[in-house]
Amino acid sequence: SAVISQKPSRDICQRGTSLTIQCQVDSQVTMMFWYRQQPGQSLTLIATANQGSEATYESGFVIDKFPISRPNLTFSTLTVSNMSPEDSSIYLCSVVAGDGNTIYFGEGSWLTVV
Amino acid sequence: GENVEQHPSTLSVQEGDSAVIKCTYSDSASNYFPWYKQELGKRPQLIIDIRSNVGEKKDQRIAVTLNKTAKHFSLHITETQPEDSAVYFCAARAPTGGGNKLTFGTGTQLKVEL
Repeated sequence: SAVISQKPSRDICQRGTSLTIQCQVDSQVTMMFWYRQQPGQSLTLIATANQGSEATYESGFVIDKFPISRPNLTFSTLTVSNMSPEDSSIYLCSVVAGDGNTIYFGEGSWLTVV
Repeated sequence: GENVEQHPSTLSVQEGDSAVIKCTYSDSASNYFPWYKQELGKRPQLIIDIRSNVGEKKDQRIAVTLNKTAKHFSLHITETQPEDSAVYFCAARAPTGGGNKLTFGTGTQLKVEL
């Protein structure tokens, strides 16, 4: 399985600021995704990070709020912009393994907005 | 899009008993059904998955069954142990609209009591 590292692992952020989360994979992967998990809730897909092109966002998520970069096949960033307490969540990077089916998650970034 | 329902939301069993978690999905084209275990403060970890061409899969104390006609799948844990206590998420992947996006159930909090 791929080793997926995320930074930061945790952060406490001030309302109105922005934070960029990094996701690094130890091998080239075709597909990378960003999920959000609000406290006590399930996982919701934010967007698919496309290498070399704009991310594909799910309903309810917009680029201005969650800009995503994917400069190569091993790295992606998610920015949470103009944060409010409602953005307090775990943000998870995920990738599709080489078998084309199995999906693994990074360690997650626990964000608390105060 | 795909919709996944999961029941029960909480499940308490005695150590050594079996636990069953059930999920239903809406998109008949869905072809991949993973189960994730999430311990408190940790990322979701894949514990077992099943593809649509298989009716049942077993891995030691864990088994998953799939009924494509009824569009439901279940996780079975036998001889439960305290370390099985966690939140379990089912998910389904439909091949349409992006290929590898997972839709998650709402989660089941499993508590194994001594």
